[in-house]
Amino acid sequence: DADVTQTPRNRITKTGKRIMLECSQTKGHDRMYWYRQDPGLGLRLIYYSFDVKDINKGEISDGYSVSRQAQAKFSLSLESAIPNQTALYFCATSDSGRDTQYFGPGTRLTVL
Amino acid sequence: SQQGEEDPQALSIQEGENATMNCSYKTSINNLQWYRQNSGRGLVHLILIRSNEREKHSGRLRVTLDTSKKSSSLLITASRAADTASYFCATQPSNYQLIWGAGTKLIIKP
Repeated sequence: DADVTQTPRNRITKTGKRIMLECSQTKGHDRMYWYRQDPGLGLRLIYYSFDVKDINKGEISDGYSVSRQAQAKFSLSLESAIPNQTALYFCATSDSGRDTQYFGPGTRLTVL
Repeated sequence: SQQGEEDPQALSIQEGENATMNCSYKTSINNLQWYRQNSGRGLVHLILIRSNEREKHSGRLRVTLDTSKKSSSLLITASRAADTASYFCATQPSNYQLIWGAGTKLIIKP
C-alpha cells in the first residue's frame, strides 16, 4: 500500500462549488504539506502543518483552507472553486529533523 | 515566487548517453534536493546535497553544488528509457519550506 494517499484522484467540478481533497499517510511523519502544480511549472506551497495544532499559510493560500484532523490526515478545501484553481494538487509529508519530502500521487482538479 | 530555475527546460538524448541538468537559485540555502516526476504523477526524491557539500553520488546520479555561483547540476549517466521524466530541483532556505524550479523535461530515445 502507498505510504501517502490522496482522494479523489480526479475531480471535475463547477465554479462556486465547495471541494475537499483528502490526504492520508502511514509514514508516521508529523509534517504535512499541500502543493499545487500548474502545467510547465514547479510546485507552489499552499499550506503546511508541523503537527495537529500547527497550521501555516504557504505562498498561495488565498482561496484555500485546510484541516489537520489527526497526525495522519490533512485535508484541503476550496470553499468556492474558481477556474484558475484548475491544477494538479499534491500532498507531501516529512519527518521533523529530516528534509526529504514524500509525495502522494496527486489529485487532478478541473473547475469548469 | 520560485527560486530555482532549471536549465534546459527540455532535453532529448539517446539511450546510453549522459544527461546533465542545471539548477540556479537566488538566496542562501540549507540544502538543495532533486526530485523526479513521471508524467503527472507524484514526485520522488532522488538526492539531497547540503550547503557544505560539493558533490554527491547515488547510483547513476551525480550532483554538484556550487554555493558561490548559487548553482547545482544533476548528471545521469548511461541513461535508460525509464529515466524519461521531469526533474525538479528544490532549495531549502529554512527548516520547512522547499522552493521549486519549473523542471527539466528529459526524454530518452531508444
